Amino acid sequence: DTEVTQTPKHLVMGMTNKKSLKCEQHMGHRAMYWYKQKAKKPPELMFVYSYEKLSINESVPSRFSPECPNSSLLNLHLHALQPEDSALYLCASSQDPFNEQFFGPGTRLTVL
Amino acid sequence: GQNIDQPTEMTATEGAIVQINCTYQTSGFNGLFWYQQHAGEAPTFLSYNVLDGLEEKGRFSSFLSRSKGYSYLLLKELQMKDSASYLCAVRDRSGANNLFFGTGTRLTVIP
Repeated sequence: DTEVTQTPKHLVMGMTNKKSLKCEQHMGHRAMYWYKQKAKKPPELMFVYSYEKLSINESVPSRFSPECPNSSLLNLHLHALQPEDSALYLCASSQDPFNEQFFGPGTRLTVL
Repeated sequence: GQNIDQPTEMTATEGAIVQINCTYQTSGFNGLFWYQQHAGEAPTFLSYNVLDGLEEKGRFSSFLSRSKGYSYLLLKELQMKDSASYLCAVRDRSGANNLFFGTGTRLTVIP
């Protein structure tokens, strides 16, 4: 298995909802990442997990909460989001923090 | 901080060669990556340079000059499916070795 999978592909939620994005990889990678990408902009790093420990939190609002239950799974819990949080959320993984990153197909999130 | 510049848009003809440039300024350069991203899809890894010189991979080549803070991606024998955004990303030691992406170059291949 040489891919990163993400669910759901699309998500529409209201500002009072609680939802979660899921990411999975079975390549034995020990670093996993969440990025946010707005239209026609580059991906912006949100969180990095290295060996299942949160190593980077790029000043992301607390309404985004990451979780790494094990080395293959990465979740992003969403609560009380704002319309400006609408974007493509990309998960990526790499063998370790120094190797190339492989991206999942993303979850397109719309906040109403 | 990191400053990564790429042209916003380029157009080239099917079968031709195109060179996409990237200049960067970082305090702890530790490698440069090129990614391809089709509209609405995830970025896919193309190439990696950490030492000066040219890396060749089929129709794609990438060059790095660390002293000039400069890289380019060369695409040969262009095909229509090469129409996409090409992202230059720099790994920065002073930024915990994370990737910092340029704004991307949107390449349009015309018949």
